[in-house]
Amino acid sequence: EEQLLESGGGLAQPGGSLRLSCSASGFTFSTYGVSWVRQAPGKGLEWVSGISGDGRTTSYAGSVRGRFTISRDNSKNTLFLQMSSLRAEDTAMYYCAKSLFGGLISWGQGALVTVSS
Amino acid sequence: QSALTQPRSVSGSPGQSVTISCTGTSSDVGAYDYVSWNQQHPGKAPKLLIFDVSRRPSGVPDRFSASKSGNTASLTISGLQAEDEADYYCCSYTGTYTWVFGGGTKLTVL
Repeated sequence: EEQLLESGGGLAQPGGSLRLSCSASGFTFSTYGVSWVRQAPGKGLEWVSGISGDGRTTSYAGSVRGRFTISRDNSKNTLFLQMSSLRAEDTAMYYCAKSLFGGLISWGQGALVTVSS
Repeated sequence: QSALTQPRSVSGSPGQSVTISCTGTSSDVGAYDYVSWNQQHPGKAPKLLIFDVSRRPSGVPDRFSASKSGNTASLTISGLQAEDEADYYCCSYTGTYTWVFGGGTKLTVL
């Protein structure tokens, strides 16, 4: 069974940093792209960042470009999201998702990030 | 990249059918046959219902169907059931490992 498990969420101060991890199992991690998607409280889904299976191609939403960095360690089946210069509007549940071009196939349960002083 | 446009809410009675539209542009929905639909119940993670415009993953009932014409995609739920009450999000690939979601549609089963 495919599983994605996020960790690293918590409380961060405005301007601070936080690193999310997503541990994958049940599929050949290195052959799939993976994305981060967030959902602010009471709001809709927002795609945040994506990375190819080999890690060579990365993309970001305009709202996080230059502040967030996506990366992966295929030897450990783990995806990362380094978040810096955090803002109150980054407060959200962050999901990782196994990604095919045609859709985000499998989702984790999410990690809550709260940015507040 | 602007969000895809979905109606904020739709409703229907048990047994009826409802259709949710998702309008994008020639850069996203119109450019690729890579539209998907996700269902999200309150407090839960999203779940994939449809991928590649109209394909259902294993385990998704055939009451859920979808299509695309030009820059607009549609999800139809037939034989509405109480457990279908949820939020529904369309999603389109936009190139280079980038996706965009719709704003979401709340389905109420009357």
